[in-house]
Order: sequence, then structure tokens, then C-alpha cells
Amino acid sequence: DAKTTQPNSMESNEEEPVHLPCNHSTISGTDYIHWYRQLPSQGPEYVIHGLTSNVNNRMASLAIAEDRKSSTLILHRATLRDAAVYYCILRDWAGNQFYFGTGTSLTVIP
Amino acid sequence: DTEVTQTPKHLVMGMTNKKSLKCEQHMGHRAMYWYKQKAKKPPELMFVYSYEKLSINESVPSRFSPECPNSSLLNLHLHALQPEDSALYLCASSPPGQPQETQYFGPGTRLLVL
Repeated sequence: DAKTTQPNSMESNEEEPVHLPCNHSTISGTDYIHWYRQLPSQGPEYVIHGLTSNVNNRMASLAIAEDRKSSTLILHRATLRDAAVYYCILRDWAGNQFYFGTGTSLTVIP
Repeated sequence: DTEVTQTPKHLVMGMTNKKSLKCEQHMGHRAMYWYKQKAKKPPELMFVYSYEKLSINESVPSRFSPECPNSSLLNLHLHALQPEDSALYLCASSPPGQPQETQYFGPGTRLLVL
């Protein structure tokens, strides 16, 4: 199973953009890149996912490197409610294995 | 309805007790998962059920016994646990075998073993 590496923690000022990086150098051609976040005292929740192309949704954007060995989750305007641990996950072609990386704890400063 | 429910929310048990955790979803998902999460650590996959059959067991000790009685329900039976088994136990569900699909998580059961 492929692994991901992320910085342990990051800080952002409120209403500023945040770029959360993830390295996944052992990614295979059929692995999807998923991002989830976990707010305090809650289960993880889906943020965004992609395969090769950059993706946008109402929560965030996902920028995937051309060689797919890294990706960046972009929160366009951080709010206090975005303070959470963000996990970058590779999901294999069979889809049933879902291994979390160590995650990045995001602190948003008012 | 995109909700995964878990009961109980909190559980305290002694090392000789037998208890069960329950997870339920009504999204028609045929893959269901149990994770264990220690404080300040990421969730660790324990078991995966696909179409009500156990497809992945991540070398979990036999004192944890999963059960999937139907496509909506997932149980985790606990017996003779150790204090180090104290953790947040998360349940999740998704369509099976589709890596582009979202996995939906419940809020978890916080277990304390005394």
C-alpha cells in the first residue's frame, strides 16, 4: 500500500488562502488521491479527490503534480471552522483499502 | 440520507466484560469499515466488509470480533480487552471496489477499558 507524507502542522491567518502539501512518491497509476479532514471530536469528512487533473469543489481545490508524486489541497479563504486535521490518502484500484497518512493539523488564526 | 450512526457514543468496560459496538447506514453501501484511532494519531484500518463478507482483517487481535449481519449493519464485539485498546472506534461505509467514491464516517464510539 502506498504511503503519504504531510507536514505535522501549519498555521494560517483567517480569510487567507492555505496550501496543504502532500507527497506520495510511490503512487501507482490507478491510485486516487483523496483528502479528508477531521474536526475535533468528529469522524473524518470528505473534502475532495482526484486522479490526474486538478479538481475544484465548493470546499477546496486539489492541485495534482504532473508526475502525480505530490498534490496540494488549497483552501481559498480559511475560516475558523476550517481548523482541523487534514489527511491525504491514496486509494487503490480495488477501492477497499483506505490508509490514512499522519495528517496536517491546521490552525487558523483570527 | 448520508449519515452513518454509531452507538453507543461512549463506553466504559472492564477487562473481563463483553460489549458490542454498533454501526448503521442506509445509503445502500455494500462496503463497511472499522477503524481504531488513538489520541492525536490517524485512524488505523481494522476490518473491511464487502457485500457482507469479511474481505480485510489487518491482523487485529481476536478479542475484537466483527460481524456484518446485513448490508446496513456492522457490529464490533469486544471481549477481554486491554487498557491499551482504549481509543475512538470509527465506522465508515462506501460503495465497494470504487476508488473514486467517498467514504462516509460515523462520529465514533469512545471506548475506555479499565
